[in-house]
Amino acid sequence: KNEVEQSPQNLTAQEGEFITINCSYSVGISALHWLQQHPGGGIVSLFMLSSGKKKHGRLIATINIQEKHSSLHITASHPRDSAVYICAVGVGGGADGLTFGKGTHLIIQP
Amino acid sequence: KAGVTQTPRYLIKTRGQQVTLSCSPISGHRSVSWYQQTPGQGLQFLFEYFSETQRNKGNFPGRFSGRQFSNSRSEMNVSTLELGDSALYLCASSPWTRRETQYFGPGTRLLVL
Repeated sequence: KNEVEQSPQNLTAQEGEFITINCSYSVGISALHWLQQHPGGGIVSLFMLSSGKKKHGRLIATINIQEKHSSLHITASHPRDSAVYICAVGVGGGADGLTFGKGTHLIIQP
Repeated sequence: KAGVTQTPRYLIKTRGQQVTLSCSPISGHRSVSWYQQTPGQGLQFLFEYFSETQRNKGNFPGRFSGRQFSNSRSEMNVSTLELGDSALYLCASSPWTRRETQYFGPGTRLLVL
């Protein structure tokens, strides 16, 4: 069973700061997802990674398969980035569904 | 394209009752996955359907079941509701598998009294 650990659990930062959220997992995966959940429950898929790095606007996601670690970075953070960020991993072969981290509660203060 | 829709959005039931939740995926998407989110356990995978067949199932009791119709719409059913079933139930669709980018619906918030 894959264990997914996220850090930090809670993060409060000032507008404009560079944000890093980390995700570690215990066994090999086929893909890693970063999700964003706003108050009210809606979830948006930000990235799906199996290797390397992806960038979308001010968001950057990286993954190191050998170290079983991924990071989500937010540059020039803004109060609208305040949300819960969730890391989820999927194992290849179709045996299991996604396993989720507990999430990182991010608050960006103006 | 219209996004993933879920009905109802909110539901209150009492212990022992059963409930059916519905999910309509994005047009053309054939994979539908269901998830349960609670404050204590976070997000957990329930099951995945593809072409009317359950392809994968998470670690939930048999009271949780689902099905998918030929138009890819999916329903999940929970029988003999327990207080601990109170949760946000989310479905997500993707074109072929859950290993692709998943598009989430707004969720159904179930309260069991």
